[in-house]
Amino acid sequence: DGGITQSPKYLFRKEGQNVTLSCEQNLNHDAMYWYRQDPGQGLRLIYYSQIVNDFQKGDIAEGYSVSREKKESFPLTVTSAQKNPTAFYLCATQQGSASNQPQHFGDGTRLSIL
Amino acid sequence: AQSVTQPDIHITVSEGASLELRCNYSYGATPYLFWYVQSPGQGLQLLLKYFSGDTLVQGIKGFEAEFKRSQSSFNLRKPSVHWSDAAEYFCAVGANGANNLFFGTGTRLTVIP
Repeated sequence: DGGITQSPKYLFRKEGQNVTLSCEQNLNHDAMYWYRQDPGQGLRLIYYSQIVNDFQKGDIAEGYSVSREKKESFPLTVTSAQKNPTAFYLCATQQGSASNQPQHFGDGTRLSIL
Repeated sequence: AQSVTQPDIHITVSEGASLELRCNYSYGATPYLFWYVQSPGQGLQLLLKYFSGDTLVQGIKGFEAEFKRSQSSFNLRKPSVHWSDAAEYFCAVGANGANNLFFGTGTRLTVIP
């Protein structure tokens, strides 16, 4: 979607290293989400945030951390505690927090292990 | 709890043929339903959504979907498939009080000449 920028597009992580994936939006949307996508498993929710300085764990938060210091930004850190980080990571935004609002997606970051 | 099932992992159709992708959901009340499409290496794009009212919903790129409460289904259809429709398709459900969407595991569509 236009207005949601994920960077980098490709990222490589060494053993024991933390890496941070960037997600920036200019849609003025309140809610932001991080999903992990693995082949055949659809999208699994890692973390979400409905307001600045607040965020909630999703279904697979272990080994990940986030922050929401600005409305426009919701970076995801993949820590060394995440033992199987190789996946495609998608950031999404939503206007408001009502579940009848569609989510809008960035183009993703593919993370691989060196 | 909400859940979504897409029974078909992979579907192959000929260009010009009709298409129907299946989606079944589990939720006690009226759900909010979405179909998304994903091209390789890209994010998801919203095709259409259903909240209430007319059970036949029109979307972008010539797609439509029909909500059938009695069957807990929200199948996606297109009368004539184009080669550019080859992609992965995801059905998703939202519910009152939920903070996020629940996604199916996706159906990969291959279009042959």
